[in-house]
Amino acid sequence: QLQLQESGPGLVKPSETLSLTCTVSDGSISNTLYYWGWIRQPPGRGLEWIGTINHSGRSYFNPSLKSRVTISADTSKHQISLNLSSVTAADTAMYYCARQEYCGGGSCYLSKSWFDPWGQGTLVTVSS
Amino acid sequence: SNELTQAPSVSVSPGQTASITCSGDKLESKFVSWYQQKSGQSPVVVIYQDDKRPTGIPERFSGSNSGNTATLTISGTQTMDEADYFCQAWDTSAACVLFGGGTKLTVL
Repeated sequence: QLQLQESGPGLVKPSETLSLTCTVSDGSISNTLYYWGWIRQPPGRGLEWIGTINHSGRSYFNPSLKSRVTISADTSKHQISLNLSSVTAADTAMYYCARQEYCGGGSCYLSKSWFDPWGQGTLVTVSS
Repeated sequence: SNELTQAPSVSVSPGQTASITCSGDKLESKFVSWYQQKSGQSPVVVIYQDDKRPTGIPERFSGSNSGNTATLTISGTQTMDEADYFCQAWDTSAACVLFGGGTKLTVL
C-alpha cells in the first residue's frame, strides 16, 4: 500500500527558508498517471493548497504563494521536495504531501483531480 | 469568483441524514471531491469526481453537483462520521486547486 512520509525541520526562523521532503514508498513518482501535491493546514484552520508537480517537473502553484515556493521531483530518490522562502509566523502549519490522481472516464485532466492518499503530515513552526 | 464556500458547522442526530454543501460560481462545471478529516488525523477522500466513492468508503457517503452547489450526503449518519469535511475542485482558468473552508459535522 502506498505511503507518503513528510520530513524536515519542525522549527524554522522567520525570514529563513522552510524545506521539506516527501518520500513515496512505492516509487510511483515516475508514473504518468499521477501528480503530487503539497497542502498545508494552520492549527485549527482549513486546508490550503501550496502546489502540484508531476514526474517531468510540470508544476502549478497557489497564486498567493507562488513567489516564495519551489517544488521539485527526484525520481531516483522517490522524493518530492518543497521550499518556501521568507517564512513568517503565518506559515506555521501542518504540511502534507499527497498523491494527486487526475484520470477518469478514459481521459486525464487536472480538472478531474483529487488527492489520495495523504501523508501523515509534519508540523512546522516558524519562530525565533 | 474562484472560492468555495462551506457552512462552518452542521449537526445531525445518529441515524439521520447529514447534508454538507459547497458553493461556488458555476460549480457544476467543475469536478468536486470531498475529504473527511477526523481529529488529529490526515484528510481522507470520501468522494471524488462529484459522485464516485473510493474503495473502502461506506455506501452511506454520496455526492452530487448541480448548478452552483455540490452536496455531500451521509445517510444513516454514525457517531464515527463526526469530523471536518472539506470540498475541493480545480480552477481551470487560474490553474489552481481550490479548497472550501471546511464544515465541522457534529453527531449528537
